[in-house]
Amino acid sequence: GAVVSQHPSWVICKSGTSVKIECRSLDFQATTMFWYRQFPKQSLMLMATSNEGSKATYEQGVEKDKFLINHASLTLSTLTVTSAHPEDSSFYICSARETGKIELFFGEGSRLTVL
Amino acid sequence: ILNVEQSPQSLHVQEGDSTNFTCSFPSSNFYALHWYRWETAKSPEALFVMTLNGDEKKKGRISATLNTKEGYSYLYIKGSQPEDSATYLCAQTSGYSTLTFGKGTMLLVSP
Repeated sequence: GAVVSQHPSWVICKSGTSVKIECRSLDFQATTMFWYRQFPKQSLMLMATSNEGSKATYEQGVEKDKFLINHASLTLSTLTVTSAHPEDSSFYICSARETGKIELFFGEGSRLTVL
Repeated sequence: ILNVEQSPQSLHVQEGDSTNFTCSFPSSNFYALHWYRWETAKSPEALFVMTLNGDEKKKGRISATLNTKEGYSYLYIKGSQPEDSATYLCAQTSGYSTLTFGKGTMLLVSP
């Protein structure tokens, strides 16, 4: 199956710093990528939909100025958590959909801990 | 907002047992139902995508059924093996849009 690579897998940062997470589709082109967040014992919750060459669409309650998403190419989307705070500590995972298809492929996820 | 429910939350079976999980979802505006298998520290792996009422899909010892009129899907594992231990996620999409996930069923298969 198609492969999506996400890194870093783990990141620990100080409060107030920014962290960038990358999501790459390795063997297919993804017009659309999705970013999810999961808190303990909760569902994966969609944060935003990232479209190549255009602005991301954010879900209600997700601050677009805090979670910056860039989808500059058909194989790369990045999520930057700006001025991170401890409450941003969570598991972030991306997925990508090959153009014209239904199936989604996921990255391995990134565990963010903000001290 | 879609509300996808999975049960049970967790399950512990012995090797060789057969088991099944349930995924419930709103039946209105249904487009597709996805099942994923998620092992710790790995990417969720797509098992099935089902779109039609009455769909049944099979992959080795794992199979799934879909009832879009009443809003549920079952995932069956025949003769569970320790390597089947994982969290099984279902997700629904309405229209060609994003997935809404359930919380998952965590399966542990003991040798």
